[in-house]
Amino acid sequence: EVRLVESGGGLVQPGGSLRLSCAASRLIFTDCWMSWLRQAPGKGLEWVANIKQDGSEKYYVDSVKGRFTISRDNAQNSLYLQMSSLRVEDTAVYYCACWFDYWSGTYWGQGTQVTVSS
Amino acid sequence: DVVMTQSPLCLPVTLGQPASISCRSSQSLVHRDGNTYLSWFQQRPGQPPRRLIHKVSRRDSGVPDRFSGSGSGTEFTLQISRVEAEDVGVYYCLQGVRWPHTFGQGTKVEIK
Repeated sequence: EVRLVESGGGLVQPGGSLRLSCAASRLIFTDCWMSWLRQAPGKGLEWVANIKQDGSEKYYVDSVKGRFTISRDNAQNSLYLQMSSLRVEDTAVYYCACWFDYWSGTYWGQGTQVTVSS
Repeated sequence: DVVMTQSPLCLPVTLGQPASISCRSSQSLVHRDGNTYLSWFQQRPGQPPRRLIHKVSRRDSGVPDRFSGSGSGTEFTLQISRVEAEDVGVYYCLQGVRWPHTFGQGTKVEIK
C-alpha cells in the first residue's frame, strides 16, 4: 500500500521556523509532482507549493512566497517544506500529495498540524 | 487567480435520494493539452481529503459509481445518484489549469 507520512509539525511562536517532511513509500517517487497543501481550522483547502519530479520547477502561493521553500530528495523518497517567518495565519494541517500521470492519479498523506501562536 | 465558486454551501439530503453540487470557475479550465483539469474531492469528518473525480468526469479508483461528474468550460457538477450515510462530509472542486491551483469553498453534505 502506498504511504505518504508527514512529520515535523508542532507549536511555534510567530516569526519562528519549522521544517516539515513527507516520507513516501511503495510508489515511484520520481513519477510524482509533489505538493504541500494546507487546511486552517474549520476552513477549506489551500494549495501551498508544488515541485516538479526533478526539482527543476517550483511554485508557491503568494501568501508564502519568500517565507516557505519546497524541496525534495529523490534518493530518499522525501519531500520537505522549510517554513520561516511563520505567522498566526499559517496555522493549519499540512498535507503532502503526489500527483502522477498528468493528474490521473494522486496520493495524499494524513497531515501534520502546525500551530503558530505566542 | 482562478476563483472557484460552489453552490450550495450546505446541502441537506435524504438517504437514497440524489444530490447535486455545482462549481463555477472564473476562467475556462481547458488546458492547452486539451484536458480540462477539474477535480472533485470528498472530506469526511476528521479525515484527509480524498479525490473522487478528475478531468471533469473520470472516477478515481475505488470510487462508487453513484458519484459522477459533468460539465465543461467554466460550469461543472458533481452528482450523487443515491446518497448513503457514508457520503456525509464536505465536497470541494479544484482547478489544476492555472497556478495557483484553487479550491472551491466547499459544500457540506448532511443527512436530513
